[in-house]
Amino acid sequence: LAKTTQPISMDSYEGQEVNITCSHNNIATNDYITWYQQFPSQGPRFIIQGYKTKVTNEVASLFIPADRKSSTLSLPRVSLSDTAVYYCLVGDGNYQLIWGAGTKLIIKP
Amino acid sequence: GAGVSQSPSNKVTEKGKDVELRCDPISGHTALYWYRQRLGQGLEFLIYFQGNSAPDKSGLPSDRFSAERTGESVSTLTIQRTQQEDSAVYLCASSLRVAGLYEQYFGPGTRLTVT
Repeated sequence: LAKTTQPISMDSYEGQEVNITCSHNNIATNDYITWYQQFPSQGPRFIIQGYKTKVTNEVASLFIPADRKSSTLSLPRVSLSDTAVYYCLVGDGNYQLIWGAGTKLIIKP
Repeated sequence: GAGVSQSPSNKVTEKGKDVELRCDPISGHTALYWYRQRLGQGLEFLIYFQGNSAPDKSGLPSDRFSAERTGESVSTLTIQRTQQEDSAVYLCASSLRVAGLYEQYFGPGTRLTVT
């Protein structure tokens, strides 16, 4: 099971682009990278998933370098409502994904 | 459509009592997961179901914990002889299939407090 490392916390301001990087040095060939967002008193919510290069959806972009040993979640023009904990997970067909402590993102006005 | 629901939303119980937590997954989702989340920490995997079967129960913290699923639908997590260290939020999630590839949809959780 691939372990991930993320910063414990980050601060930013409204309107800025926020990049959260996750390290996963022992990622396996079949592993995908998935990011979830969790607000207080709620269950996590899926944001984005990718395997390599770049993936973009309506809320975020995911950048994965060629060696896949890290990934960066990019949130464009954040707002106060983006304040949450963000989790990076790595896994393939393995049900038992390892959830770290995540990155607590605080957006300031 | 309806998401994952859990009940009760909050449960306060005395040490030594048994508790039963319920999860109603999204209809048609064959995979169901239980997690525990202590305050300020990440999610701790407990058990998963593929259909009504739980192939791997090694994530359960002790033999006081058990879970079942019926009709490929509702699941219950039972904690016997509760201890104070069992206090946490218990989250349930479901997905179309068992795999890290498939998005997990989470319920709101049950906050368990053992006094």
